Amino acid sequence: DAGITQSPRHKVTETGTPVTLRCHQTENHRYMYWYRQDPGHGLRLIHYSYGVKDTDKGEVSDGYSVSRSKTEDFLLTLESATSSQTSVYFCAISESEGAYNEQFFGPGTRLTVL
Amino acid sequence: QKEVEQNSGPLSVPEGAIASLNCTYSDRGSQSFFWYRQYSGKSPELIMFIYSNGDKEDGRFTAQLNKASQYVSLLIRDSQPSDSATYLCAVYETSYDKVIFGPGTSLSVIP
Repeated sequence: DAGITQSPRHKVTETGTPVTLRCHQTENHRYMYWYRQDPGHGLRLIHYSYGVKDTDKGEVSDGYSVSRSKTEDFLLTLESATSSQTSVYFCAISESEGAYNEQFFGPGTRLTVL
Repeated sequence: QKEVEQNSGPLSVPEGAIASLNCTYSDRGSQSFFWYRQYSGKSPELIMFIYSNGDKEDGRFTAQLNKASQYVSLLIRDSQPSDSATYLCAVYETSYDKVIFGPGTSLSVIP
């Protein structure tokens, strides 16, 4: 993996609890992304960041928030977890945006909300 | 938001054969195209990037792009059991200014 770690790797939580997932990179890439992957849906973009403290929403952002206080860390928070947020979450990084947006993925976090 | 479509499979090919994976997209303004390989329980891994019309070859992999017909394909020559994985097509859509992923095609190479 391209210097990307995610923590925790597995988590089981209960409905209504807040959950924070962490993505850490050592590549000093500017762009970072959070995706969720569900059967039949492929990868869907939740939020992304184009720099420290610069973030924006993706296509499935409801119920999620993010923060990026340092280049290397991108946090995803589920404010009040629901069963529909049970999924595998991937963080990705990229050096550039636009047409040359080659993304490299972290190992993923499997989240189960009971 | 535009769509990226792939046959979900599974696509089964015998060892040594050519595997052909297809992807269609709806945004005519799409500029660049990516193929990712994802083994079961693992994260996606970028294997090909293609920007211009025509073919791009990298070892046993060839990506073919036809912008007029709005499809991109991935050919895997001399398929090996280790190629068994899900292959994700991704498209940079200019109008959305984001990369959109298809649902993936599952490939099984039978020894």
